[in-house]
Amino acid sequence: EDKVVQSPLSLVVHEGDTVTLNCSYEVTNFRSLLWYKQEKKAPTFLFMLTSSGIEKKSGRLSSILDKKELFSILNITATQTGDSAIYLCAGSPYNTDKLIFGTGTRLQVFP
Amino acid sequence: GAVVSQHPSRVICKSGTSVKIECRSLDFQATTMFWYRQFPKQSLMLMATSNEGSKATYEQGVEKDKFLINHASLTLSTLTVTSAHPEDSSFYICSANLPSGGVSTDTQYFGPGTRLTVL
Repeated sequence: EDKVVQSPLSLVVHEGDTVTLNCSYEVTNFRSLLWYKQEKKAPTFLFMLTSSGIEKKSGRLSSILDKKELFSILNITATQTGDSAIYLCAGSPYNTDKLIFGTGTRLQVFP
Repeated sequence: GAVVSQHPSRVICKSGTSVKIECRSLDFQATTMFWYRQFPKQSLMLMATSNEGSKATYEQGVEKDKFLINHASLTLSTLTVTSAHPEDSSFYICSANLPSGGVSTDTQYFGPGTRLTVL
């Protein structure tokens, strides 16, 4: 059965810290891995990763995929209170448009 | 990025009533939309895949007769929670795949969600 596992489940840091969120996956016919940020409402798209070893960057956020070890990490540098959210990763297989979501990592950034 | 809207954003209803939630893709056509529900502090649970012009595909354990899905056009899917009960109270979120070159991609964009409270 396909599954996506995220760790840690919860993380509490101070502003300015750097955090690394982990996502491991077992997805048959794997196509891509997606990261989303969810604050109070619905998830907003961050990154889609399809190739191993190519880092995607957006401001203080970056992410990379390792298709050999079946995992991805999301890094956030110089965290701010506005980064507090649940971060979800999801695997996308080739034979369907469905996404397989992990349980999420709840990040809390305190001033 | 693509825009997906949902209406209403919040609904409170009495037990036994039916509630309709609309999901629209505002600047693109979506042949496929997805309906999720999310309980507090939990991840998204896929309920069904809504296909334009055909029947929805429901995930295991989701009652088809309770959660009616209609995808009548390329920009609109509706979810009707029939005879709602307090245990149906949840956050319902729809999403749509952003097409590229006429082909559905694997990037889903989410609506803002609908919080349903059944008294």
